[in-house]
Amino acid sequence: GAVVSQHPSRVICKSGTSVKIECRSLDFQATTMFWYRQFPKQSLMLMATSNEGSKATYEQGVEKDKFLINHASLTLSTLTVTSAHPEDSSFYICGRTGNNGYTFGSGTRLTVV
Amino acid sequence: GENVEQHPSTLSVQEGDSAVIKCTYSDSASNYFPWYKQELGKGSQLIIDIRSNVGEKKDQRIAVTLNKTAKHFSLHITETQPEDSAVYFCAASMGTGGGADGLTFGKGTHLIIQP
Repeated sequence: GAVVSQHPSRVICKSGTSVKIECRSLDFQATTMFWYRQFPKQSLMLMATSNEGSKATYEQGVEKDKFLINHASLTLSTLTVTSAHPEDSSFYICGRTGNNGYTFGSGTRLTVV
Repeated sequence: GENVEQHPSTLSVQEGDSAVIKCTYSDSASNYFPWYKQELGKGSQLIIDIRSNVGEKKDQRIAVTLNKTAKHFSLHITETQPEDSAVYFCAASMGTGGGADGLTFGKGTHLIIQP
């Protein structure tokens, strides 16, 4: 079964509201998790690195105040898209490293209307 | 930073034939190269990976080759089947898969298997 659980798989929200996406590491404690974004017909782009117990590291061009990352426990990282706008509509995927390489969650399709 | 180029963007092959997707990377410090398969509307699935101390790795119909000198790596799928139709992404990282480095992805290849 899946070792990285991501929820929700799909979410539709109104413009201006916030959406929280959860990513859980099910088989071991992950001190580091990653958040990616994928626009239609484009590649996965790393947004930020989530570090347990400390601040996330954001990639250039990613607004840290808009994409809030919380990694409060070794098995859970959350991404909150604040004040969402239609241009934030995308496919968001979390990932985790481990002894067997990277494992991704199943992704979250966010649609902002 | 790292830059990963992937070709072709679209590849159409007859069922039963082989498919090859190629990627190049820019940072010689990269040492971990996974390949992901993404079906429509789904998350990415790791199908095979290779580390820099190995030149080739095979798993049934899928193989990956790595040329560190030329900084390129390739995915080979033999005896293609309809269920192989998907978008494939290559990636590179300076971590070992157990480290803390994020991945840099290629732009993807849409593989179409013709019946």
